[in-house]
Amino acid sequence: DTEVTQTPKHLVMGMTNKKSLKCEQHMGHRAMYWYKQKAKKPPELMFVYSYEKLSINESVPSRFSPECPNSSLLNLHLHALQPEDSALYLCASSPGGVKAYGYTFGSGTRLTVV
Amino acid sequence: SQKIEQNSEALNIQEGKTATLTCNYTNYSPAYLQWYRQDPGRGPVFLLLIRENEKEKRKERLKVTFDTTLKQSLFHITASQPADSATYLCAPFRMDTGRRALTFGSGTRLQVQP
Repeated sequence: DTEVTQTPKHLVMGMTNKKSLKCEQHMGHRAMYWYKQKAKKPPELMFVYSYEKLSINESVPSRFSPECPNSSLLNLHLHALQPEDSALYLCASSPGGVKAYGYTFGSGTRLTVV
Repeated sequence: SQKIEQNSEALNIQEGKTATLTCNYTNYSPAYLQWYRQDPGRGPVFLLLIRENEKEKRKERLKVTFDTTLKQSLFHITASQPADSATYLCAPFRMDTGRRALTFGSGTRLQVQP
């Protein structure tokens, strides 16, 4: 299995809702990432987990809460989002460690906040 | 702060020609640099990685160069095809900090005309 699977593919949520995005990989990768991408912009890093520990938080608002229950799974919990949080949320993974490798990205979750 | 610039937002070329995309970076020295392809509504797909001690890397019709003196990478697609139309992202990666994660350039949208 050489894929990163993200669910759901599309999500519409109200500003008072609580929802979660899910990301799964079975490549044995030990680093996992959340990126946010707005239209016509490059992906922007949000969080990095390395060996199941949060290693980077790019000053993301607390209404986004990441979780890494195990080495294969990454969640992003959403609460009280704003319309400007509407974007494509991308999960990625890489082997981790000091060697250089490309990242494997999922197809993303298209989030619309109404 | 580090800055990554990719030439022109869009590049239009005729089928069969060579497309050349530019990535310039400032204020840091990456240990390696990656190139990705992204289609609309999809996650980026890893194409090539080139290390700071490598001048050139090839993969089928793709060629990447890395000039650490000029702080520039060039990405070439030879014998371009309409199927090569996509946005191409560069990501110089630095190893000298604890921040081990990709930061992307703004991207170049390539359109290959039949």
